Amino acid sequence: DGGITQSPKYLFRKEGQNVTLSCEQNLNHDAMYWYRQDPGQGLRLIYYSQIVNDFQKGDIAEGYSVSREKKESFPLTVTSAQKNPTAFYLCASSTPGRGQPQHFGDGTRLSIL
Amino acid sequence: KQEVTQIPAALSVPEGENLVLNCSFTDSAIYNLQWFRQDPGKGLTSLLLIQSSQREQTSGRLNASLDKSSGRSTLYIAASQPGDSATYLCAVPSSGANNLFFGTGTRLTVIP
Repeated sequence: DGGITQSPKYLFRKEGQNVTLSCEQNLNHDAMYWYRQDPGQGLRLIYYSQIVNDFQKGDIAEGYSVSREKKESFPLTVTSAQKNPTAFYLCASSTPGRGQPQHFGDGTRLSIL
Repeated sequence: KQEVTQIPAALSVPEGENLVLNCSFTDSAIYNLQWFRQDPGKGLTSLLLIQSSQREQTSGRLNASLDKSSGRSTLYIAASQPGDSATYLCAVPSSGANNLFFGTGTRLTVIP
C-alpha cells in the first residue's frame, strides 16, 4: 500500500547531540513537509520541499536542517542548536500546487535524555 | 498571516448525540479547507476537503460546511460513537507556499 513511513517512532536525544528523523514516501509525491506539534498548539511548519534538491524554510526552521536527495526521502536533522526539541514531529507529502491534500505519516516523538 | 482557531478546545458528549465542531480563519481568501482526525500518538488522517467554491462536503456521518465570507467552517458529526473520540483539526493552505495553517484542534470524547 502507498503511504508515508516515519522512523523511529520514539527517539531520545542527549545534550549536544544531533539526531535525524527519517521520512519515506511511496506515493510518488513531489512535495514533502516537516511539521512540529507541541501540546496545546497547532502544527507548525519547519521545512518543506517542492522538488528534489530544493527545500525552503518554514516558520520555525532554526535549529533544524533537511536534505532532499531523492524524491522518496526527506530526512530531518534536529541539531544541538535546537534548545527545545521535545515535540511530536510529523512528515507529510502531496502533489505540487496550492491546496493539494497532504498525507501524513504516524510521527516521531522526540524527547531529551 | 493566516490564523486558524478552533473552539471548543475539548468536548465530551454521550454516545448517539449529534455535535458540531467549529473552525474560524482570519483571511477569507482561502483556496480550500481540510478537516483531519488525529488519534493519540498518531499522525493525521484526512476526513474531508472542501473547496472554496463549495458550501458543503459529506462523507458518511460527517458533514463539513464552509462560509468563506464569515471565515468559518463547521464539522457536523451525526450519531456520535465512542470510536469518534479523537482530536479534530482544521487547516487551510497558505497563500504562497503549499504548506498548511492548522488550528489547535478540538479533543472530542464520546462517552458510551
